Amino acid sequence: RKEVEQDPGPFNVPEGATVAFNCTYSNSASQSFFWYRQDCRKEPKLLMSVYSSGNEDGRFTAQLNGASQYISLLIRDSKLSDSATYLCVVRESSGDKLTFGTGTRLAVRP
Amino acid sequence: SQTIHQWPATLVQPVGSPLSLECTVEGTSNPNLYWYRQAAGRGLQLLFYSVGIGQISSEVPQNLSASRPQDRQFILSSKKLLLSDSGFYLCAWKGTNTEAFFGQGTRLTVV
Repeated sequence: RKEVEQDPGPFNVPEGATVAFNCTYSNSASQSFFWYRQDCRKEPKLLMSVYSSGNEDGRFTAQLNGASQYISLLIRDSKLSDSATYLCVVRESSGDKLTFGTGTRLAVRP
Repeated sequence: SQTIHQWPATLVQPVGSPLSLECTVEGTSNPNLYWYRQAAGRGLQLLFYSVGIGQISSEVPQNLSASRPQDRQFILSSKKLLLSDSGFYLCAWKGTNTEAFFGQGTRLTVV
């Protein structure tokens, strides 16, 4: 089983739609969680951290379910500029290693 | 503010040739540094990470090596490149809140 698993997509949605991605992780000792965004042929950039109580940043909401070992990202009112690959990232308890999922591709159409 | 520099941006090398990719970080001291590779259509694979000068942890046995000769310098090397070494190489450093920040990457094509 992969350490971090994501549905590769693509998720093809119209502008204004709400879309949600899930990510599961296998290491129950994982302590920190993040969502990154990667545009085509560019480096990944931090989108938001995921806190145990859930957190929101504008149109983006991230949640953690520690018992079921998954995190989620919800995007409301999708924009064309949201089209990208969204990477789920998990930090193990030792703190030195970050493990990336393979990413979920989102395509927002006019 | 902290910045990370990685070069070159693109590189085309013949099979069997050596490789040296350099990454430097500014604006922070004693960072954790990482080398990742992303093959076409694939996820990021952690290759090496370093918690300090001369300290290298290898994640995957392969044709590559890493060195950290200075606190803010991380080098990825190979003595003889293989076709399978082609990919997008990304250097990253870990921030205070444990998130990672990436350099702009080097797109390596081995021909």
